[in-house]
Parts: sequence; structure tokens; C-alpha cells
Amino acid sequence: KAGVTQTPRYLIKTRGQQVTLSCSPISGHRSVSWYQQTPGQGLQFLFEYFSETQRNKGNFPGRFSGRQFSNSRSEMNVSTLELGDSALYLCASSLVSGSSYNEQFFGPGTRLTVL
Amino acid sequence: DAKTTQPPSMDCAEGRAANLPCNHSTISGNEYVYWYRQIHSQGPQYIIHGLKNNETNEMASLIITEDRKSSTLILPHATLRDTAVYYCIVLPNSSWGKLQFGAGTQVVVTP
Repeated sequence: KAGVTQTPRYLIKTRGQQVTLSCSPISGHRSVSWYQQTPGQGLQFLFEYFSETQRNKGNFPGRFSGRQFSNSRSEMNVSTLELGDSALYLCASSLVSGSSYNEQFFGPGTRLTVL
Repeated sequence: DAKTTQPPSMDCAEGRAANLPCNHSTISGNEYVYWYRQIHSQGPQYIIHGLKNNETNEMASLIITEDRKSSTLILPHATLRDTAVYYCIVLPNSSWGKLQFGAGTQVVVTP
């Protein structure tokens, strides 16, 4: 079974631009979570989607948004990019069943650099 | 979600068991203990989780104290590929996909 895939793997943008990152979960997984990882703040939760609905959201400004499609694929968008948005953006999917609720499978991430 | 405390780093000799401690003194009755690890330049990887009983899988064993205030992740025969940052996370089962990562423990396995 294929793992979580994220595209693109690397991205360079300039301040003020916007960016869209894509995530394809493991087949059958309906929950997709997004995380931001920076050297200073570590791994921080952005939001989680299940059945096209955002169920949980971290403490990030409204410039960070996401959505999930009917096939469970997800995208996240960052508008008006700032230098501090430079980070590794990780997507994770999970099956959402029984006691394995929080067993998340992570993709390789998208490395975003804002110049 | 309960907070966790882990040592910032530890070394382990290849082939020996690595015992990674985690304190979670404010854990609630419905909260599970999860362990993830992140090898450099990769996404985190789920290792194991448990509620109150000890658990074992092909990767590791999880020992949770009777009062559930602390736990230990055991890598039985550490290899160089086990060098990673290990995260102990405590949360209820239905946390709506939100994993709260702390600083974790940097484990370095040496030959």
C-alpha cells in the first residue's frame, strides 16, 4: 500500500506570495492532519480534516487554511507569505478507528522557503 | 492534554537495549501514551501506544507504571538506524488528529 505523498517536495516563494501544498493520504484513510516544523518551534499542529470537514485547528493565523476533497486528498494554503513561514510542512493520515485513532502516518513533507 | 517530560538526549551502544523515559504526572484516566520518532529529514513515525497495560510490537515495548505517571519505551536491540528524536505524547483517543509534540529525546546510537 502506498504511503502518504506530498507535493511538491521543495518550494521557494517570496514574501507576499501565496502557496498551495498537496497531500494524498494512504488509501482508505479519511483523516488528514497538517503540521508545521521549524527549528525554533518544533512540530506544531495546524489543522485536521475528516470527511471534508475541519474538525480541529491549531493556533495559527487565518492566512493558513486547508481543505479536503471527497477522495480524502487535502490541500493547505498559506496566503501573504512571511519569512517566518519557512518550514517543513508535514501531512499525516490516519484510519480513524478504535484504539488506533491517533496512529498517524506521515508523509515526507514539503520544504517551503520564503525569501 | 497532559504534558510530558523527556530527557533532551541520550546515547546508546549498538546492539544494547535503549530505555527512554517519559514523565506524565498529570495524565488523565482516558489518555493514552503514544510514542513517535523522527529520523533526520523524514516525517515522524508511529512506534507504539498504550493505556495502562504494557505493550509490545515488532519495533518496541512500552512499559507504563501502575500509577500511569510515567512510562518507558524500550528498543530491545538498538541499531544505527534507530538514531532519531523520540517523542512521548499523551492524549485522549479521540483527539481529532491533533498530536502535540514536545522537544522529545534525541537518541544517538553509536557503533
